[in-house]
Amino acid sequence: GAVVSQHPSWVICKSGTSVKIECRSLDFQATTMFWYRQFPKQSLMLMATSNEGSKATYEQGVEKDKFLINHASLTLSTLTVTSAHPEDSSFYICSASPPRGTGTNRPNEQFFGPGTRLTVL
Amino acid sequence: GENVEQHPSTLSVQEGDSAVIKCTYSDSASNYFPWYKQELGKRPQLIIDIRSNVGEKKDQRIAVTLNKTAKHFSLHITETQPEDSAVYFCAGVYTGGGNKLTFGTGTQLKVEL
Repeated sequence: GAVVSQHPSWVICKSGTSVKIECRSLDFQATTMFWYRQFPKQSLMLMATSNEGSKATYEQGVEKDKFLINHASLTLSTLTVTSAHPEDSSFYICSASPPRGTGTNRPNEQFFGPGTRLTVL
Repeated sequence: GENVEQHPSTLSVQEGDSAVIKCTYSDSASNYFPWYKQELGKRPQLIIDIRSNVGEKKDQRIAVTLNKTAKHFSLHITETQPEDSAVYFCAGVYTGGGNKLTFGTGTQLKVEL
């Protein structure tokens, strides 16, 4: 099946610093990846759609200057949380869908990365 | 945009009983409805999905039903086991609109011995 990885799996940083999270599709190319944020005991909320070679599309209420997304290749998208503050502490998860006809039996199925636990002190 | 509501928020059943989780969606254009199981601190895992041209789908102990007219869909788990304990999320997708998932609020299922 399709595999998506994330790095790091957890990170602790000081308030005011920036943190970069990587999302990789290991065995397929992804022109589109998605970034979600999940606070404790809450649902996954879509933050943005990452598009290879073009600007990301952000959901309403998500600050594009604070959450920088770069999708420079067909297998890598990065999310940078700039000037992180304690309220940014959350579980960040990416996902990607393999292109149609690339082996999945379920078209439109999204494969999730293992998530990154960010704690801002 | 799409809005997905999910009930109940918590569900406790005895081992061997059935569990039912219900979701409603707002966007009639949505045409793909996956269900995910998420264990604490881990990624969501797809357990079953259904497309809008199908009314029911079953996979061993898990089934999903869809009522397009009423815009609601349900997850049914039979013969529940302790390892079914987790948080379950429904989601709605309009596959022609960028494949963006809108998740329900989640149901904490606890299967008691």
